[in-house]
Amino acid sequence: DTEVTQTPKHLVMGMTNKKSLKCEQHMGHRAMYWYKQKAKKPPELMFVYSYEKLSINESVPSRFSPECPNSSLLNLHLHALQPEDSALYLCASSQGARGGTEAFFGQGTRLTVV
Amino acid sequence: QQQVKQSPQSLIVQKGGISIINCAYENTAFDYFPWYQQFPGKGPALLIAIRPDVSEKKEGRFTISFNKSAKQFSLHIMDSQPGDSATYFCAAISLDYQLIWGAGTKLIIKP
Repeated sequence: DTEVTQTPKHLVMGMTNKKSLKCEQHMGHRAMYWYKQKAKKPPELMFVYSYEKLSINESVPSRFSPECPNSSLLNLHLHALQPEDSALYLCASSQGARGGTEAFFGQGTRLTVV
Repeated sequence: QQQVKQSPQSLIVQKGGISIINCAYENTAFDYFPWYQQFPGKGPALLIAIRPDVSEKKEGRFTISFNKSAKQFSLHIMDSQPGDSATYFCAAISLDYQLIWGAGTKLIIKP
């Protein structure tokens, strides 16, 4: 099973809402990632979890809050988002957080903030 | 320099032709070079990857050519098909797992 599953596939939320994105992998990967992708651009790294601990936070605003309940699950909690946060949010996992290992991506959550 | 330069930005190829996408990097600490294929509304999917001690890797119709001395690598898609129409990203992975992306190439295969 080389699959990273993200839910929901689409999400529309108001600027005062609180919502969560979910990600699951069962490949035994120890590193998991959140990326944000705008149209016609490559993915931008937001957070990296390595062995369930946050190892990289790429200066992401606090309205995005990651959580890693266990080695297979990754959540991204959203609160008080802005319209410019509308994007495709991608979860990925890799065998480790060191160089030389491919990342496998989920299908993404298309987020629209209204 | 943490950068990967990718060209062209867009590419139109006739069905059956060869699609070629080029990438160049500066940082010699990169040790792994994956290519991702992304269809609209979907996440990137790993297509093929290469290490810098290998000059070429082939998987089906997809081939990576790697020139370590020139710090360049390229993706060749042989016998290009309409189903290959997608955005392709080259990337480089550093030893501390920084995945550095190229800007992407939108490939259109004309029937």
